[in-house]
Parts: sequence; structure tokens; C-alpha cells
Amino acid sequence: GNSVTQMEGPVTLSEEAFLTINCTYTATGYPSLFWYVQYPGEGLQLLLKATKADDKGSNKGFEATYRKETTSFHLEKGSVQVSDSAVYFCALTSNTNAGKSTFGDGTTLTVKP
Amino acid sequence: GAVVSQHPSWVICKSGTSVKIECRSLDFQATTMFWYRQFPKQSLMLMATSNEGSKATYEQGVEKDKFLINHASLTLSTLTVTSAHPEDSSFYICSARVGTRNEQFFGPGTRLTVL
Repeated sequence: GNSVTQMEGPVTLSEEAFLTINCTYTATGYPSLFWYVQYPGEGLQLLLKATKADDKGSNKGFEATYRKETTSFHLEKGSVQVSDSAVYFCALTSNTNAGKSTFGDGTTLTVKP
Repeated sequence: GAVVSQHPSWVICKSGTSVKIECRSLDFQATTMFWYRQFPKQSLMLMATSNEGSKATYEQGVEKDKFLINHASLTLSTLTVTSAHPEDSSFYICSARVGTRNEQFFGPGTRLTVL
């Protein structure tokens, strides 16, 4: 079956530091890959996505590249801000699984001033 | 576009009562909606897949008589937690799928607290 493995947290960084949150996956077919962000007490917000190999998703300074050869979709940001503090979920969706999404366990990011 | 709403955003109820949560796709038609449950500091757990006009498909270990799902139209799915107990307290999130696209749009979630 499909699975997503995320870098364990929590991750604590100082403002303006470089961020990497690792995500690898196993899936049948050709999944689409996503990063979601969840702020305390709120639902999930789509951060970025990539639908095929070598695609790069980007939004608000965050980037992730769909690497089929390493089955990875690592999230990066060059300079984090305090407002980036949240929980980040890596996920995949595949048509071979009736469109269901498979989520990683989430990584809590705290950015200190 | 692709906005999903949930109502209510939070609810507190007494043990033994039933609670209905609505999930609406506001600007698109969703043939498939998904219901998730999230415990504190944990990931989302898929409970069931709701298809318009047919019975919901429940994941293993989810009681279908406990969590009733109705998807009566292309823009509305409801989750009813029947005879709620404190252990049902959780954050419930729905999502909607557009056609056969590999993307889901998430609602803001409903916080259920059962006293």
C-alpha cells in the first residue's frame, strides 16, 4: 500500500534559518504529492503540490521537488519566519487508491525570534 | 475557488446525544468527499469515503453505525456521530475531491467535545 514517511520533529529554528523537512513515499502508480500546513486549532491548508516527476511546487518561499528516483518530496525554505511556526504534513494522492490521501505523521516547526 | 466549509466549527454536547457535522463544497461539485479524524498532535486518520448517491465506504475499524455518513447532493456530505461519548471527542475534518483529480480540498475542521 501507499505510505509517507516524514522527518520526525519537533524542529526548532531561529528566524532566518534554512529549513528542510524530509519526506519520502512509497506508492503504486503515479501519485501527486502535497505539503499541507496546519496552524493551531485550524484545518489543513494546501502549501504546495507537484503532480509529476521533476515538478517543483512553490509557494510563500517554500519549495519541494518531486523526485521519482529517490521517491522524495522534501520541503525547503531559505529563510523562515516566526509566522511559519506550524505543523507540516506531507501527503500523496493516487488514483490507484480511489483518490484517497495518505499522510505523513506531521512535523512541528517552531521558529524563535 | 475550491472552497470547502464545515459547520459547526465547534460543538460541545452531552454524552449520549447525537451530533451532525456538515461539509459543503461552496463553488464546485464534489462527487467524492472524505471524512478524517485527528487526535491532538497526531496525523489525520481517514474514517470514510463518501460518494454522492451511494453508501459510504468505511475504513477498517471505523464503526459505520456509530459514524453515519450521508452524501445526498454533489455539494453536501454530513457526518453524524451517534450516541456520542467522551472518547469521540476529536477534531473532524472533511475534504472534497473534484472529479478524478488527484487533489482534495479541505474544510476548516470541526472540534467536537463530548462531556
